[in-house]
Amino acid sequence: EMQLVESGGGLVQTGGSLRLSCVASGFTFSSYAMSWVRQAPGKGLEWISYISSTSSSIESADSVKGRFTVSRDNAKNSLFLQMNSLRVEDTAVYYCTSRGYYMDVWGAGTTVTVSS
Amino acid sequence: DIVMTQSPASLSVSPGERATLSCRASQSFSPNLAWYQQKPGQAPRLLIYDTSTRATGIPTRFGGSGSGTEFTLTISSLQSEDSAVYYCQQYHDWPRTFGQGTKVEIK
Repeated sequence: EMQLVESGGGLVQTGGSLRLSCVASGFTFSSYAMSWVRQAPGKGLEWISYISSTSSSIESADSVKGRFTVSRDNAKNSLFLQMNSLRVEDTAVYYCTSRGYYMDVWGAGTTVTVSS
Repeated sequence: DIVMTQSPASLSVSPGERATLSCRASQSFSPNLAWYQQKPGQAPRLLIYDTSTRATGIPTRFGGSGSGTEFTLTISSLQSEDSAVYYCQQYHDWPRTFGQGTKVEIK
């Protein structure tokens, strides 16, 4: 069974940093592009970042460009999201998802809360 | 950016009845559209991709159609467990964008 498990969320002050991790199991992680999607409290879904299977291609939403960096370690079946210069509006549940087009496997999410 | 607009924002349907959800895109494309279901406190689940292909394990009562700028998700015979928010998403271009969601309630 394909599974994604996120970690690293928490409470941080504005301007701070967090690093989210996502560990994959049940599939050949190194063959899959991956994405991060977030959901602010009571709001809809927002795609924020994509990385190809070999890390050769990366795309980011304008809302996080220059602040968030996606990376992966295929040897450790892991996806990362380095989040710097955090803002109150970055408060959300962050989901790790498989693929970069439709997203067929989702983790349970990790919650990031940015306080002022 | 491609803006995805869903309608209605919410609908209430009796069990066994048909539910029709719409998704309109600000630019024409096909078939790079997906539908997701999200229940409270849960992660989204992929229902449909490539406009009309059901994802693994999705019941046949869920169907997708459309092209260009108009797409539709149809739930042919609503079950109680279908109460959820449904989102469309385009993957024709970057950035990937979602509709704002349609909340389906059971009467």
